[in-house]
Amino acid sequence: ETGVTQTPRHLVMGMTNKKSLKCEQHLGHNAMYWYKQSAKKPLELMFVYNFKEQTENNSVPSRFSPECPNSSHLFLHLHTLQPEDSALYLCASNEGPGNTIYFGEGSWLTVV
Amino acid sequence: QKEVEQDPGPLSVPEGAIVSLNCTYSNSAFQYFMWYRQYSRKGPELLMYTYSSGNKEDGRFTAQVDKSSKYISLFIRDSQPSDSATYLCAMSPTGANNLFFGTGTRLTVIP
Repeated sequence: ETGVTQTPRHLVMGMTNKKSLKCEQHLGHNAMYWYKQSAKKPLELMFVYNFKEQTENNSVPSRFSPECPNSSHLFLHLHTLQPEDSALYLCASNEGPGNTIYFGEGSWLTVV
Repeated sequence: QKEVEQDPGPLSVPEGAIVSLNCTYSNSAFQYFMWYRQYSRKGPELLMYTYSSGNKEDGRFTAQVDKSSKYISLFIRDSQPSDSATYLCAMSPTGANNLFFGTGTRLTVIP
C-alpha cells in the first residue's frame, strides 16, 4: 500500500468508448501526476497538478482529459482512444517540486 | 539521442551474486538521481535517492553517481529472489516535477 490508490486496475475499452481513470492519494500531498508507461519506453510524464491547478501538460493529445477537483483526487478522462494508447497509466503524488514522488499501482489500459 | 540510456536486459544472476545496474545520461544539468524498483504488475517504488555526486548506501543497496562521466550505478549485494524486478533509473535538473526515466532493466535472481 503506497498511499496512492488507482481504479480500475484493468480496463478494456473500444475506440469509441468514454471511460475514466481515478486516482486518490491519502498522503496529504499537494501535487499529483499522470504518467504513461509503455513497453520498452521510458515513463512519460503527461500532466502535473499543484494545489488543483494544472502546471504541466506534456503535449498530450486532447483525447486524454485530466481533472483535479481537489488535492487528493485526480482523474484521467479517456475518449476516442487509439490502440497505441494501450499502456500502464500511473498516478503519482508528492508534497511539491523537488520532493520524492510516490506512485500508485497503475491502471492497465487496453484499447481494442 | 535519449536523455537517459539504460540497458533493458534482461539480466539473470544466481542468488547471492552482486548485481550492477547502470545508466548514462547526456544532460549535465541533472542533479537529482533516483532508482525505482518495479515489481511485475505494480507501480514503481523509490529505492534510492541521491543528490549530486557520490555514494549512498542502504542495506544491501549502494547508489553511485559520477557526474563527470554522466554515469550512475546501483549495486545490489547478496542478491535475493525477492530482488527480481525491473529497476528504473530517473534523474532531474530541478526535482520531481521534471524527472527523466530510463527504460528499466529487468532483473531475475535465480534461487
